[in-house]
Formats: sequence, C-alpha cells, structure tokens
Amino acid sequence: DAGVIQSPRHEVTEMGQEVTLRCKPISGHDYLFWYRQTMMRGLELLIYFNNNVPIDDSGMPEDRFSAKMPNASFSTLKIQPSEPRDSAVYFCASSSPLGGPYEQYFGPGTRLTVT
Amino acid sequence: SQQGEEDPQALSIQEGENATMNCSYKTSINNLQWYRQNSGRGLVHLILIRSNEREKHSGRLRVTLDTSKKSSSLLITASRAADTASYFCATDATGANSKLTFGKGITLSVRP
Repeated sequence: DAGVIQSPRHEVTEMGQEVTLRCKPISGHDYLFWYRQTMMRGLELLIYFNNNVPIDDSGMPEDRFSAKMPNASFSTLKIQPSEPRDSAVYFCASSSPLGGPYEQYFGPGTRLTVT
Repeated sequence: SQQGEEDPQALSIQEGENATMNCSYKTSINNLQWYRQNSGRGLVHLILIRSNEREKHSGRLRVTLDTSKKSSSLLITASRAADTASYFCATDATGANSKLTFGKGITLSVRP
C-alpha cells in the first residue's frame, strides 16, 4: 500500500492567494483527519470525516478554511485568502476502526509558507 | 488545553541507554497511543494501550498506563541513534468519537 498521499509537499504563496492542499487516504480507511502543526501550538486537529461526511470541524480556525471530501479516495483543504499566520505543516491522516481502534496513518505533510 | 502533556520536553541520552518519556492527561480515555515523528516526516504509530491495560510491550518499547494517576510512560530500551525523533502521546478521550488529542511532544536525541 502506498500509504497516505499528500500534495503538494511544499507550497509557497503570497498573502491573499488561495491555497489548496490535497490528500488521498489509504484505500479502505473510512476516517480522514486534517491536522496543522506549528512550533507554537503543536499538532492541532482541524477537521475529520467519516465515510466522506464531516464529523467535527470545531478546529477549523475561521471561515477562510474549508475542507471537502467528495469521495472515499480524495479530500481537499482550502485556505482563501491565505495569511502569513497560516504558515505551518499540514498533515492528513486516515484510519479504520476495522484495523484496530483509531490508530492513525499520517501522510508526509505539506509545508505551507505564506509570505 | 492539551489533553496529553509529555515530560520532559527534551531528552538527550547515549546510545545503549534507556529512554523514559512520560505523558499526563486530564479526562477519562478509551486508549492512549504513542507516535514517533522523524524530522520532516509525518507521525508514525508506535503502540496503543487500552484503558483496561496496565502494560504493553512491542520490541524495545514498553508502555505503561496508570488511569488512577492519568499518566503513561514510554520506555525505549537499548536506544539507538535511529531512535532520535520526537515522540507524542495521543489520547482517545471517552466520548470523543474517534478524535485523538496530541501532546506537544518530546524531542529525543540519542548520541552515537
């Protein structure tokens, strides 16, 4: 299995631009999580989906952030407009309770820099 | 505030020594997990211990859980330079519906 795939791996953009991060979970996993990691705040859960349905988006910082999961093999996290404080590493993770309770498999992350 | 908080924040040891890392949490949990993160990489699951378990082993890893003290420890025996990484505890709180809360992590450096 290829594991969780994220793209792009690095993104540099200017303030005000739209940013779209992409994730392909492990086939068969029915949970998908988006996290943000910074030195100051550590690893924060932004939103997660179960069977393509958003379950908890309480971690989404503000309306500039949105996430979708149109099918079981693809999810996007969009930031519009982006701000310098959005600079962080964004991780996608997937899991399946069938494989054991809640062990999560992480992608390699997307390092976002907003200038 | 963070559900899981690790202690110490940083640990430096010599290769071959044992490394002990601690995690405390605040609410009741279904299970507690430990993850490792190498520099520039995603997190990798190491071990999971359920709330009704007290100790678990996996290779050179030993995890203990004390639910009365709301704490866990991760012991890495006979450490290797390749164990250099950040280690995170994550709790699956009761009623959290599959949501994990991660601590800020412990940076472990193993000197060759």
